[in-house]
Formats: sequence, C-alpha cells, structure tokens
Amino acid sequence: AQSVAQPEDQVNVAEGNPLTVKCTYSVSGNPYLFWYVQYPNRGLQFLLKYITGDNLVKGSYGFEAEFNKSQTSFHLKKPSALVSDSALYFCAVRDTNAGKSTFGDGTTLTVKP
Amino acid sequence: EAGVAQSPRYKIIEKRQSVAFWCNPISGHATLYWYQQILGQGPKLLIQFQNNGVVDDSQLPKDRFSAERLKGVDSTLKIQPAKLEDSAVYLCASSLEGASGTQYFGPGTRLLVL
Repeated sequence: AQSVAQPEDQVNVAEGNPLTVKCTYSVSGNPYLFWYVQYPNRGLQFLLKYITGDNLVKGSYGFEAEFNKSQTSFHLKKPSALVSDSALYFCAVRDTNAGKSTFGDGTTLTVKP
Repeated sequence: EAGVAQSPRYKIIEKRQSVAFWCNPISGHATLYWYQQILGQGPKLLIQFQNNGVVDDSQLPKDRFSAERLKGVDSTLKIQPAKLEDSAVYLCASSLEGASGTQYFGPGTRLLVL
C-alpha cells in the first residue's frame, strides 16, 4: 500500500529565511508527487508536481521541490519565506498506474516577522 | 474559469440522520473525487469517478455512504445514517483525465454530527 509521511507537524521559520517542509513516500511503482497548500477556511490549492524529467520542480509563489528517488523524498523548499506563506501544507503521492491519491497528514508552516 | 463548487458549506445534523452533499466540477474535467478530511489529518479518498463510472471506492464505507455521478458531470455524496465519527470536512475535487492530472479542490462542506 502506498503511503506518505510528513515527519514534522509544525515548522517555524523567520521571515526572509529559507524554509523546508519534508515529505517521504512509499509506492509500488513510479510516483507522481504533488504539493498542496491549505489556507484557513479554504480548499486545497495546487503548488507543484513532479511527473517526470528534471528532479527540481518549480511551482507557484516561489516554491520548489526536489524529487530524490533513492531517498524516496520530495521536500518542499523556498529560498526566502514570507509571512503570507503561513499555512497548512500537504504532500501527496499517486502511482503512475492511475491509482488513488494518498495524502500526508500535513505540516503547519508558521513564518514569523 | 469557474472552480469546483460545493454545497452546502456547513451542515449540522444529529446522529442517525441522513445528509447529502453536492459537487459541480470544473467544466471538462472527466475525473471527480470525494475526500473526507478529519481534523488534524490529510484528506482520505472516499471515491473516484471517471466520467460516470467508479474507478476506486475501496475506502468508502458502503454500509452508510453512497455516491453517484449521473451524466458524468455533477455528483452527490450521501451519508445515511450518520455517526459521530463522520464529523469532518468533505472535499470534492476534479481533474483532467489521467493519473498525472492536477486535482482542483472545492471549498469543502464542514459536517458536524451531534
């Protein structure tokens, strides 16, 4: 069975500092990997995805993520955090054989001024 | 482009009552998903439709939950009878066909079962 782990419930960073939100996954075949963000009282919004090709994926709002097949990881990064980045972030994996999506339990990112 | 629409936004019912949620996906999106998101957890897939056919319903509690997508467009998720543990946010999402398709989520329906 496929699974996603987000080992940190909470990540705190100061504005202007780099941020990393960690994600590791387990899937039987090749993965499609996604990051979504959820702001209070709003639905999930797509940030970026890895399908194939370059391991470094760039997405919305200056976020990027690096696919590491050997470590089965897909960590979300941003070089300089903004207070407005504070939100709940979800990593998701999907088997390329059109299987169901599995989400992690989320990481709350807090960026302090 | 209009997003995924869901209604109602909030619902409070007593246990053993029934409730229904409605979802209208983005126009042209063949795949529609219903997720249950319990507080503090990630979304859990309940059912996935491809047009009007069911692709995956392995995590749908079929003794009390049902869903349909007549005509391959909008969809209804029903719970009958509701239990306390059904209190959650029910999210609908849609995507273009294919496993690599990005899912676009609606605002969700927050259900409280008393």
